[in-house]
Amino acid sequence: RKEVEQDPGPFNVPEGATVAFNCTYSNSASQSFFWYRQDCRKEPKLLMSVYSSGNEDGRFTAQLNRASQYISLLIRDSKLSDSATYLCVVYGQNFVFGPGTRLSVLP
Amino acid sequence: EADIYQTPRYLVIGTGKKITLECSQTMGHDKMYWYQQDPGMELHLIHYSYGVNSTEKGDLSSESTVSRIRTEHFPLTLESARPSHTSQYLCASRGGGDTQYFGPGTRLTVL
Repeated sequence: RKEVEQDPGPFNVPEGATVAFNCTYSNSASQSFFWYRQDCRKEPKLLMSVYSSGNEDGRFTAQLNRASQYISLLIRDSKLSDSATYLCVVYGQNFVFGPGTRLSVLP
Repeated sequence: EADIYQTPRYLVIGTGKKITLECSQTMGHDKMYWYQQDPGMELHLIHYSYGVNSTEKGDLSSESTVSRIRTEHFPLTLESARPSHTSQYLCASRGGGDTQYFGPGTRLTVL
């Protein structure tokens, strides 16, 4: 079993849709959690950190459930520019990246 | 924008050649990392460093080596390139917080 697992994707959604990504992790000692965005053939870039209390940044909302070892990312009113691969990242001793979920927002 | 640089951006080389992938950052970050990523696959940590003269192997077995003689510089070397080394190599750095900043990557093709 992989240490970080994500929805397999791809997600193809129309503009304006709400999209939810799910991620689970196996190491209960993990300390920090993140969502990164990676555009095709580019480097990953931090989208947002994830806190137990939940956090929101504009159209993006991230949630963490430590008891269930589950992380989520919600994108509201999706834009064409949101098309990318979304990586769930967990930090314990080192950073462990999930395989990513690809999102295509269609006009 | 993060100040972390990688050269070359693209490299096509023959089997058996020695290559060094360069990574530099101007943010004064102590922690630096090398990841390998095949197309459509997740990133795998191959080396990391927590400061000058500190280097460790990551989770993915790799035939590469690294050095950290200066804070800003973390080169990765392959003594004898093979087709199985064809991949994208991403360098990252981190300061006092949890955020990693990635360089643009080097796409390596070994023929």
